[in-house]
Amino acid sequence: AQSVTQPDIHITVSEGASLELRCNYSYGATPYLFWYVQSPGQGLQLLLKYFSGDTLVQGIKGFEAEFKRSQSSFNLRKPSVHWSDAAEYFCAVGNQAGTALIFGKGTTLSVSS
Amino acid sequence: DTAVSQTPKYLVTQMGNDKSIKCEQNLGHDTMYWYKQDSKKFLKIMFSYNNKELIINETVPNRFSPKSPDKAHLNLHINSLELGDSAVYFCASSPLGTGSTGELFFGEGSRLTVL
Repeated sequence: AQSVTQPDIHITVSEGASLELRCNYSYGATPYLFWYVQSPGQGLQLLLKYFSGDTLVQGIKGFEAEFKRSQSSFNLRKPSVHWSDAAEYFCAVGNQAGTALIFGKGTTLSVSS
Repeated sequence: DTAVSQTPKYLVTQMGNDKSIKCEQNLGHDTMYWYKQDSKKFLKIMFSYNNKELIINETVPNRFSPKSPDKAHLNLHINSLELGDSAVYFCASSPLGTGSTGELFFGEGSRLTVL
């Protein structure tokens, strides 16, 4: 079955500390992988995506993610978290343009001062 | 110019009523979607249309009926609303064709509350 697992429901990090959000996927075909961020009361904004090529991808707002096929993972990282990064983060998988994405259940990020 | 716009943003109604949510995208995309986000923030695909044709219809009660008058619009009509229909409904679109990477572009959501 196709699925996305985000093992951490809620993470709190101190402002300025590094961040890693975990994502594992189960997908029969070559995956297209995405991280989206949702601020309270807002829609989903794409942070970054992977579909081929370099397995380390850079995104907006200083985020990066690394695709590891052997581990079926696509973890999101940021070296120094800002208070404005507090939001809900979703990992998603698809397999080609036009396919509906399957989302993980999300990780809530809180940032402490 | 908002790329994917939904109306209304908030909708409060009584059980048993019928309501519609409208979605429009000005990105020229071929495919549009409806997702439901429940109270635990889980996002689940409901429907997908490609150039006005229904291509995904997940196990959604038939009280929910999508309609796509043209490829820029996808509306969602819900009959006989139930308490469990309370959620945020997101419209999204994506392009097809060479160079597309499968990214979905989301609207800001429509929060439906059924009393």
